[in-house]
Amino acid sequence: DAGVIQSPRHEVTEMGQEVTLRCKPISGHNSLFWYRQTMMRGLELLIYFNNNVPIDDSGMPEDRFSAKMPNASFSTLKIQPSEPRDSAVYFCASSSLDRDGNTIYFGEGSWLTVV
Amino acid sequence: SQQGEEDPQALSIQEGENATMNCSYKTSINNLQWYRQNSGRGLVHLILIRSNEREKHSGRLRVTLDTSKKSSSLLITASRAADTASYFCATAGGLFGNEKLTFGTGTRLTIIP
Repeated sequence: DAGVIQSPRHEVTEMGQEVTLRCKPISGHNSLFWYRQTMMRGLELLIYFNNNVPIDDSGMPEDRFSAKMPNASFSTLKIQPSEPRDSAVYFCASSSLDRDGNTIYFGEGSWLTVV
Repeated sequence: SQQGEEDPQALSIQEGENATMNCSYKTSINNLQWYRQNSGRGLVHLILIRSNEREKHSGRLRVTLDTSKKSSSLLITASRAADTASYFCATAGGLFGNEKLTFGTGTRLTIIP
């Protein structure tokens, strides 16, 4: 299995520009998560989907952030307009509930720098 | 907000020694999990312990759970240089059941060869 695939791996953009991060979850997984990691705030859950439907977006910092999951094999996280404080590593992760609970599989992350 | 707090924040030990990390959480849980993150990489699942379990083993890993104290510990025995990484606990439960994991702040472990 290829695992969770994220793109781009690294992005440097200017303040005010639109940023789109992409994710392909593991085939057969029905939950998808977007996390953000910074030194100051640690690992934060931004939003998660179950069967392509957003379940909890309470972690999305503000209206500049939006996420979509048009089908079971693709999701995007968009920041428009971007600001320097959005600089972070953004992780996509997917999972499939089993009797033990929810083991999450992470992608390698998208490293975003907004200058 | 973060559910778990790991202790210590950073730990350095000699190769071959045992490493113990602790995690405290605030609300009731269905299960607790430990993940490892190597520098510049995504998190990798290590072990899951259910709320009705007290101890679980996997290779050189031993996890304990005390729901009365809302705490868990991760023991890595006979540490190796390759164990150098950050370790996070994550809890599931509450309103979103097992679906939503909330991660702690992490312990940065350094194994000195």
